[in-house]
Amino acid sequence: DAKTTQPNSMESNEEEPVHLPCNHSTISGTDYIHWYRQLPSQGPEYVIHGLTSNVNNRMASLAIAEDRKSSTLILHRATLRDAAVYYCILRDRNFGNEKLTFGTGTRLTIIP
Amino acid sequence: AAGVIQSPRHLIKEKRETATLKCYPIPRHDTVYWYQQGPGQDPQFLISFYEKMQSDKGSIPDRFSAQQFSDYHSELNMSSLELGDSALYFCASTDRANEKLFFGSGTQLSVL
Repeated sequence: DAKTTQPNSMESNEEEPVHLPCNHSTISGTDYIHWYRQLPSQGPEYVIHGLTSNVNNRMASLAIAEDRKSSTLILHRATLRDAAVYYCILRDRNFGNEKLTFGTGTRLTIIP
Repeated sequence: AAGVIQSPRHLIKEKRETATLKCYPIPRHDTVYWYQQGPGQDPQFLISFYEKMQSDKGSIPDRFSAQQFSDYHSELNMSSLELGDSALYFCASTDRANEKLFFGSGTQLSVL
């Protein structure tokens, strides 16, 4: 499985933007970049995904480097409810319903 | 909207007992994944099913078995329970047209 590297933890002030980095230097051409987050005592929750172009949805934005070897999840205005572990995951859709392989995500702490 | 339902929410067993965890996917989802998350650890893939057939297998012990039924719900059967099996067990579902996995709230299994 292609692997990703994320910082173990990050802190951010409430109502400020947060940029969560992810390195995936061994990404293949068919790997999609997925982000999930896990709030305490809950199952992982889908945040966003992309292939080559930057993506936006109501939760976040995903900025993908031109060489695709890194990406950044952007929370535009962090709230206390965004405190969670954020996982950056590569998923090869060529194999149909490929499983998600979770690595060690980034624990985001929001400071009030 | 209907989500992934897991039951029971909590389960307490003693060593060497058996346990059955159930997962009811979102309607019309044909693929189910099982994950195990130990205390302070990241989710680990166990097994997945597509259209009632096993589609992928991860680090699932031989003491565990699972199946997907005709109504697409899935059950994880765990025998000869060990203390190390204490964990949060998540089920996720999706369909081939969907890029996202939807996770349930999990079953917290405690083996005493």
